[in-house]
Amino acid sequence: NAGVTQTPKFQVLKTGQSMTLQCAQDMNHNSMYWYRQDPGMGLRLIYYSASEGTTDKGEVPNGYNVSRLNKREFSLRLESAAPSQTSVYFCASLLASEQYFGPGTRLTVT
Amino acid sequence: DAKTTQPPSMDCAEGRAANLPCNHSTISGNEYVYWYRQIHSQGPQYIIHGLKNNETNEMASLIITEDRKSSTLILPHATLRDTAVYYCIGKAAGNKLTFGGGTRVLVKP
Repeated sequence: NAGVTQTPKFQVLKTGQSMTLQCAQDMNHNSMYWYRQDPGMGLRLIYYSASEGTTDKGEVPNGYNVSRLNKREFSLRLESAAPSQTSVYFCASLLASEQYFGPGTRLTVT
Repeated sequence: DAKTTQPPSMDCAEGRAANLPCNHSTISGNEYVYWYRQIHSQGPQYIIHGLKNNETNEMASLIITEDRKSSTLILPHATLRDTAVYYCIGKAAGNKLTFGGGTRVLVKP
């Protein structure tokens, strides 16, 4: 049982490049989330998926798209990266009242 | 969701109890108090949650005042590994977590 896994762990992009952050959970949870955390700040919700086949915007969705591929996987895509998207990205899944977080992806956009 | 207020930082001696306060004076009757912590560079970790009764688990105890306007997270015997940012969050069941600034706790030897 690996919990919530994220790939890659680190990524450097140039402005305008695109990439997809991958997240998977093996706990059979229905709900999954994507957050970003800027230095010295709390986490902010980007998108979430209450169940397979559904996605909804969170607090800061601009510049991102998501796909809930199946119950296990929830990916986050940056179509045209900007320096303002430099951040640490956390994926999470939810069981009842407890969210489980992945280890994070550290993204730098130059 | 309820707005919560926490001190930005606090120190604690190793082996002593750490008492982390949280004010949530606008909390609604159906909103729970959740505590998470984030150890440096890691994803947040769930600690405990409660509605109005005090709660205890293997990690911590949660004391909620009778009027539910504030609560205290207690780490009974703080260790150096408890150094982290602790987040207090007021949330109704089914709603999303909203993280504030939290309290940066430094456990000192």
